[in-house]
Amino acid sequence: DTGVSQNPRHKITKRGQNVTFRCDPISEHNRLYWYRQTLGQGPEFLTYFQNEAQLEKSRLLSDRFSAERPKGSFSTLEIQRTEQGDSAMYLCASTGTVFATNEKLFFGSGTQLSVL
Amino acid sequence: DAKTTQPPSMDCAEGRAANLPCNHSTISGNEYVYWYRQIHSQGPQYIIHGLKNNETNEMASLIITEDRKSSTLILPHATLRDTAVYYCIVRVETSGTYKYIFGTGTRLKVLA
Repeated sequence: DTGVSQNPRHKITKRGQNVTFRCDPISEHNRLYWYRQTLGQGPEFLTYFQNEAQLEKSRLLSDRFSAERPKGSFSTLEIQRTEQGDSAMYLCASTGTVFATNEKLFFGSGTQLSVL
Repeated sequence: DAKTTQPPSMDCAEGRAANLPCNHSTISGNEYVYWYRQIHSQGPQYIIHGLKNNETNEMASLIITEDRKSSTLILPHATLRDTAVYYCIVRVETSGTYKYIFGTGTRLKVLA
């Protein structure tokens, strides 16, 4: 169990640029979550995958945000035309084997995005 | 759509029990309560979870009131390394999908 891996750990970009983050969940986990966390706040739910299917998206996820999980393995979160308000920590978490539903989320260390 | 409320901060003396309260008065019957903690610049770390019975593990105890409207996380012998933000979370189920809703957390400071 190597845990949930997120890359990069830090990303600095200029306003208007596109950025992409990657999350590698724990290998047997079929459920994957993305959260966003701003300074002093708790993580806010963005989106959720079960295998490759994106089952729920928060209204926080504007049209500039897109997430994918091809083949139900790693996931990417892309932000197009970044704005300063997108600056935050983006957290990925995974859980869930096929039959178990009463389970804990395992979080990665996050990607800290700074939009200048 | 936060479902939990917690005090923003608490202090606890090293070696004493830390009791962190959480209010979740709108919780539904099948929604679990989870507790996580977060140390600066790291991802949240699982502590414990429960549905209606009290739970204990090597890290902490979770006491859930009979009406399930509130719970308390107990760290029996707090150490300096327990200084962190503690989040009380409700796991919401909608049509077979699960969403973990974080509150704003309690910043616990353990004092030497």
